[in-house]
Formats: sequence, C-alpha cells, structure tokens
Amino acid sequence: GQQVMQIPQYQHVQEGEDFTTYCNSSTTLSNIQWYKQRPGGHPVFLIQLVKSGEVKKQKRLTFQFGEAKKNSSLHITATQTTDVGTYFCAGDYTGGFKTIFGAGTRLFVKA
Amino acid sequence: DGGITQSPKYLFRKEGQNVTLSCEQNLNHDAMYWYRQDPGQGLRLIYYSQIVNDFQKGDIAEGYSVSREKKESFPLTVTSAQKNPTAFYLCASSTRGAEKLFFGSGTQLSVL
Repeated sequence: GQQVMQIPQYQHVQEGEDFTTYCNSSTTLSNIQWYKQRPGGHPVFLIQLVKSGEVKKQKRLTFQFGEAKKNSSLHITATQTTDVGTYFCAGDYTGGFKTIFGAGTRLFVKA
Repeated sequence: DGGITQSPKYLFRKEGQNVTLSCEQNLNHDAMYWYRQDPGQGLRLIYYSQIVNDFQKGDIAEGYSVSREKKESFPLTVTSAQKNPTAFYLCASSTRGAEKLFFGSGTQLSVL
C-alpha cells in the first residue's frame, strides 16, 4: 500500500540550532501537508504544498516539495523552546481520498 | 466558535464491551475521518466518510464500526473484536478530500 516515510524519528537540538525533517513517498503525491502536534495535544495544520518544486516559508519554517512530488522537507531555523512537539507530514495521492501520515519526527529543544 | 468536539476525553473499556466515541463538528464540512495514534507512531486511518450516509474503510478498520446519519456527527464504535484498543483516537474533518484536516482534541481509550 501507499506509505509515507519520515525521518528522523527523534531529534534533540540546543536552542538556536536548526532542525530538518524529511518525508519520502515511493509514488507521486498530489499534495503534501504538514502538521504539528504539541505534547498532549492534537495535530494542527501548518501548510499544504501542491506544486512540483514548491517552497513556502512561515517565519522561521521553510517547507519544500520535491520536483518529482515524491519527497518533502520542513526546516526550522534557530529553534526555540516553543518549537517542541511532533511534526508530521501527510500525503494525498491522485484519485485517492485518504490522507496518509508519516510516523512523525519528535523535536526536543534544550534551552 | 466553529470546531470539532470529541467526547469523552478519557474512556475505559472492560473486556468484551463495546464503547462509542463521539465526534461532532459545526464547520459544515462534508468529509470526516477517524484516526488512531499509538505512541511513537503516526496516525493510521480507521474510517472516513465523504458525505452523509456513506463511509469507507481505512487501513485498520477491523474491530471498529461507524455511522454517518448527520453531516455534523461521525461516531466511532470500538467493538469487542478489537483486541488491542488502547490508543489515542482522533477525529478530523475537511471541506472535501485531500484538503487540510481539522482535528478534535482526541479521546484516550484504555482497557481495564
């Protein structure tokens, strides 16, 4: 079946360091979404990427969608303690109705 | 305020018991979903519904059942056939398929 692989599973950083999480699909995605889940909370939508090679920024967060629409990344510049949580990518496939989630990357930030 | 309401926040199930998790939305969304989250894992799709009176199995539907009699409501029943029900259950909705998901605050189900 369709799968979205996400790495790393965990990342510990010092406050101020950068952080990147990567997603990869074996088949072409129609779009990819990113969500953040704070500890004890529920996933909250961050952004959706649709176009091949698309890059979007939200303050310190940069999202990329690969040219082949099979991979994506989320980069956080100069992490802050408020960035802690689990970041999920979620892919949709053409003609499908199901959004498939990656396993998530849990980010720990040490002050 | 518009949003998705899940209840209860915590639920305990006894052996052989069926339990029902509630999910209500007032966002006027057509599509609704149920996901299961286990520690260290991503969200796995149990069931989804595109419109009222229609629903489809997700990747892990065995041991679960749903109904969609009203646009606003999508309850999930965890049956006794689900042998490992302990998990965090999340309900979500979207305007239609392949659109951003709005999540409820979740129900933590545990087995007594």
